[in-house]
Amino acid sequence: EVQLVQSGGEVKKPGESLKISCKASGYNFARHWVGWVRQRPGKGLEWMGITYPDDLDMRYNAAFQGLVTISADKSINTAYLQWSSLKASVTAMYYCVRLLPEPNPVPLDWGQGTLVTVSS
Amino acid sequence: DIQMTQSPSTLSASVGDRVTITCRASQSINTFLAWYQQKPGRAPKLLIYKASHLQGGVPSRFSGSGSGTEFTLTISSLQPDDFATYYCQEYISYSRIFGQGTKVDIK
Repeated sequence: EVQLVQSGGEVKKPGESLKISCKASGYNFARHWVGWVRQRPGKGLEWMGITYPDDLDMRYNAAFQGLVTISADKSINTAYLQWSSLKASVTAMYYCVRLLPEPNPVPLDWGQGTLVTVSS
Repeated sequence: DIQMTQSPSTLSASVGDRVTITCRASQSINTFLAWYQQKPGRAPKLLIYKASHLQGGVPSRFSGSGSGTEFTLTISSLQPDDFATYYCQEYISYSRIFGQGTKVDIK
């Protein structure tokens, strides 16, 4: 059974850094694209980007390029999403996703979500 | 960037109704279109990919159609478990834009 278990909720202050994680199991982690989706409170879904753990290829939504870093460590089957300097606008639920293989790389499996709250 | 526009934003319906949600892309996306269902407090669930391919385990009352710029998600006979918010998403671009969502609630 595929599982994506995300790290727990975070409450941070503006300007702080943060790295959240997504531990995968039940499939060959290195050989499937894994990524992140944002959902602000009461709002819709926003695609952030994906990485291929085997070669660390990355594809970002242009709206998030430079604002976040997506990474993965195939030795421990874990994907990451990080910010270097948080803003209040980062407050949202973040979902980790595993994509179906080509030719239809869409999110099949979703983590439970990590709620990030940024407030002074 | 590609824009994805869903209509309606909210839909009120009764159990047993046939429900249709439309998703329009600002440029052709071939059939690189997926549909998701999200219930409050839960992660989204993949329903359909490649515009019309039903993901395994999804009830057959769900169907998708379309290509190019216009797509539809149809629920043939709405069930109590189907009251939720539905999103379309293009996956031809790196940005993979979602539609704004359609909330299906009880009439």
